[in-house]
Amino acid sequence: SQQGEEDPQALSIQEGENATMNCSYKTSINNLQWYRQNSGRGLVHLILIRSNEREKHSGRLRVTLDTSKKSSSLLITASRAADTASYFCATDLWSNYQLIWGAGTKLIIKP
Amino acid sequence: NAGVTQTPKFQVLKTGQSMTLQCAQDMNHNSMYWYRQDPGMGLRLIYYSASEGTTDKGEVPNGYNVSRLNKREFSLRLESAAPSQTSVYFCASRSGGTGANVLTFGAGSRLTVL
Repeated sequence: SQQGEEDPQALSIQEGENATMNCSYKTSINNLQWYRQNSGRGLVHLILIRSNEREKHSGRLRVTLDTSKKSSSLLITASRAADTASYFCATDLWSNYQLIWGAGTKLIIKP
Repeated sequence: NAGVTQTPKFQVLKTGQSMTLQCAQDMNHNSMYWYRQDPGMGLRLIYYSASEGTTDKGEVPNGYNVSRLNKREFSLRLESAAPSQTSVYFCASRSGGTGANVLTFGAGSRLTVL
């Protein structure tokens, strides 16, 4: 069963606006990872945040992690048309080799 | 570097036919994974190989078999395809099974079973 749940399922915003998507999970994690998937392509890793970190930045991306609430958010600032994609969170557990995936947020950036 | 290479990219099968999806990585990664992705759902793990010589079932292994041929290659076999196996299949690899490392994905293989 999937551990991660993402919301919203879909998000449509104007170019230049900020986009925020959220991920919740159920059990203790080692780290949480965000991936992007462009239509018809494989997933590409964006950013990883460890369980002892609260915030991480990479370019226009900002990820936060609240382990007490078992949730994470991904913020994309100053969105561009090229950011149109599906975004997935994946939790990396301490105890095994598997990542557990959310169902994804489909982001559409309108020009 | 090519990363993770999957073949074929597209395949149409009739119910009951068999086929093998091939995956190879050139990053010297230890762990390899096969996922399926269905519309509106995240990735579901079919099988994984934590290291050369080992394979383990994931969330949805029924109807599939795998072979970790060597460190580079991890194949997925459908012995008797069913329409429920229509999906997009992704192979992925990462350097180690645990710890803070990330997956590198192939471009996907779109399978249709009629």
